[in-house]
Amino acid sequence: DIQLTQSPSFLSASVGDKVTVTCRASQGISSYLAWYQQKPGKAPKLLIYAASTLQSGVPSRFSGSGSGTDFTLTISSLQSEDFATYYCQQLNSNPQFGGGTKVEI
Amino acid sequence: EVQLVESGGTLVQPGRSLRLSCITSGFNFRDHTLSWVRQAPGKGLDWVGFIKSEPYGGTTEYAASVKGRFTISRDNSKSIVYLQMNSLKTEDTAVYYCCRRLPLSRGYGMDVWGQGTTVTVSS
Repeated sequence: DIQLTQSPSFLSASVGDKVTVTCRASQGISSYLAWYQQKPGKAPKLLIYAASTLQSGVPSRFSGSGSGTDFTLTISSLQSEDFATYYCQQLNSNPQFGGGTKVEI
Repeated sequence: EVQLVESGGTLVQPGRSLRLSCITSGFNFRDHTLSWVRQAPGKGLDWVGFIKSEPYGGTTEYAASVKGRFTISRDNSKSIVYLQMNSLKTEDTAVYYCCRRLPLSRGYGMDVWGQGTTVTVSS
């Protein structure tokens, strides 16, 4: 099975900060990686698919990059509504989620 | 509007069975792979399994933790996907989400999610 290591697990940041979350796969997954945002009590929301393509309706301050084993989610200027937990997911084989990154004030 | 609405979650004893339903609308159900994802209280997301679209034979894949106990099926005439859960364990306690998978050309991400239904396995 492909393992995903997401870091950091927790991140403290302020409004306006640039935030970076990384996701490393235990083997190459090409660009079969997605990023999700989840707020408490809510279903996850797709932000990025195919490693770097912004889902329709998602603000452009979110971006994704990487291929193979190393991937990054970047929020260029953190807004109050972005405080949430973020998950990466590999879809190269049977899907697997990373452990999550909680972005806190 | 594309919608997925799960139902069937409840309190159930260990070893018993339960079937969840996901009623969909607003898209061509037959052409989409549907997945189930769960989230235990205070934990991260955990993929359960998926059932492929009708053109791809409706075949299924499961996570190792549920293989042999859980079965995903679909009724293309009603646009409903089911999750049959047998031999339930306390560790199956979670919110269960139904979600739609994007096609290969878009990297297989899960673009639409239901609101979730809660399954509690306890004696």
